[in-house]
Amino acid sequence: SQQGEEDPQALSIQEGENATMNCSYKTSINNLQWYRQNSGRGLVHLILIRSNEREKHSGRLRVTLDTSKKSSSLLITASRAADTASYFCATGSANNNDMRFGAGTRLTVKP
Amino acid sequence: DAGITQSPRHKVTETGTPVTLRCHQTENHRYMYWYRQDPGHGLRLIHYSYGVKDTDKGEVSDGYSVSRSKTEDFLLTLESATSSQTSVYFCAISELFPGLAGYPGANVLTFGAGSRLTVL
Repeated sequence: SQQGEEDPQALSIQEGENATMNCSYKTSINNLQWYRQNSGRGLVHLILIRSNEREKHSGRLRVTLDTSKKSSSLLITASRAADTASYFCATGSANNNDMRFGAGTRLTVKP
Repeated sequence: DAGITQSPRHKVTETGTPVTLRCHQTENHRYMYWYRQDPGHGLRLIHYSYGVKDTDKGEVSDGYSVSRSKTEDFLLTLESATSSQTSVYFCAISELFPGLAGYPGANVLTFGAGSRLTVL
């Protein structure tokens, strides 16, 4: 069964707006990662946040992690049409070889 | 896709036939993975390998076998394909982000472009 669950399943915004996606998980984790997938392509790693961290930034991406609520959020600021993709959270546990992925959020950014 | 090649990229086959998907990497990574992606399920781990001839099962391993006779190649075999195995299959390698302040390192995955398999 999947570990992370993204919310919403789909999100449609205008170019320039911010996009926020949420991820909830069920068990304790060592780290949480966000990946992006363009249509017909493999997933690409975006950002990693460790369980002892609360916030990470990378360019226009901001990730938060609340281990007490077992949740994370991914914020994309000043979105562009090229940000249109599916975004997945993945949780890493003590056994680092079994990363669990959610079903993803489909983001559409309209020009 | 970072030196990862999957073949074939598309395959249509009939129920009951054997199918082998190949993943080839050029960067000598120790760990390799096979995932399947289905609508509403995200990615689920089928099998992974931690070295030549060293493999282990993932979450959805039933009906699948793997082999790794060389570091660069990781094969996924469906001995007798079923319609429920219609899916997109992704191979991945992992690289270790080092640990910090007593926290263990984290594996970050790099994926191939995927192999779309249709079982009729």
